[in-house]
Amino acid sequence: DAKTTQPPSMDCAEGRAANLPCNHSTISGNEYVYWYRQIHSQGPQYIIHGLKNNETNEMASLIITEDRKSSTLILPHATLRDTAVYYCIVRAFTGTASKLTFGTGTRLQVTL
Amino acid sequence: DAGVTQSPTHLIKTRGQQVTLRCSPKSGHDTVSWYQQALGQGPQFIFQYYEEEERQRGNFPDRFSGHQFPNYSSELNVNALLLGDSALYLCASTEQGKLAYEQYFGPGTRLTVT
Repeated sequence: DAKTTQPPSMDCAEGRAANLPCNHSTISGNEYVYWYRQIHSQGPQYIIHGLKNNETNEMASLIITEDRKSSTLILPHATLRDTAVYYCIVRAFTGTASKLTFGTGTRLQVTL
Repeated sequence: DAGVTQSPTHLIKTRGQQVTLRCSPKSGHDTVSWYQQALGQGPQFIFQYYEEEERQRGNFPDRFSGHQFPNYSSELNVNALLLGDSALYLCASTEQGKLAYEQYFGPGTRLTVT
């Protein structure tokens, strides 16, 4: 799985958009970008994933650059409940439910 | 539909002791993975069970072992506990062959070794 680099922490005002960057310069053509988040003392929660096109769901949007070497997770209207550690993970789908390799993630603090 | 459940929620053990943690997967899931999360770190993959066999293993010593039962539930056993084994232990379940986003995590078991 390709290595990812994320800033250790970010702040965001409630109601504003939170933009969380991730670098994955060694990503391979068959590797997906996944985002998970972990609210304090809970298990990680899936947010969104993509291969090369931008994706949007009810939780967030994922913007992947054309060269696929970086991506940005966007929470359009952050709330206090979005305070969490956000993990960017890159892995290939091999046909088996293989492991997820987590880094240290970005700690997002949403403030009033 | 219950999600992934784990027991116990908290546990305190002494160095050298043995511990067993339990996980029940989400309904319909047949594959269980275990992760260790030390304070301030991301979860680290321990191993995965499918069809009652260990299918993949991370970089953990043999003190860490597991088991999967015919109903797909799983146990994680750790022998000869060390202080460094203190961590949050997470269980994740999915169906074999599914993409990573379809892995669901339980709330974890907080193990403290004194």
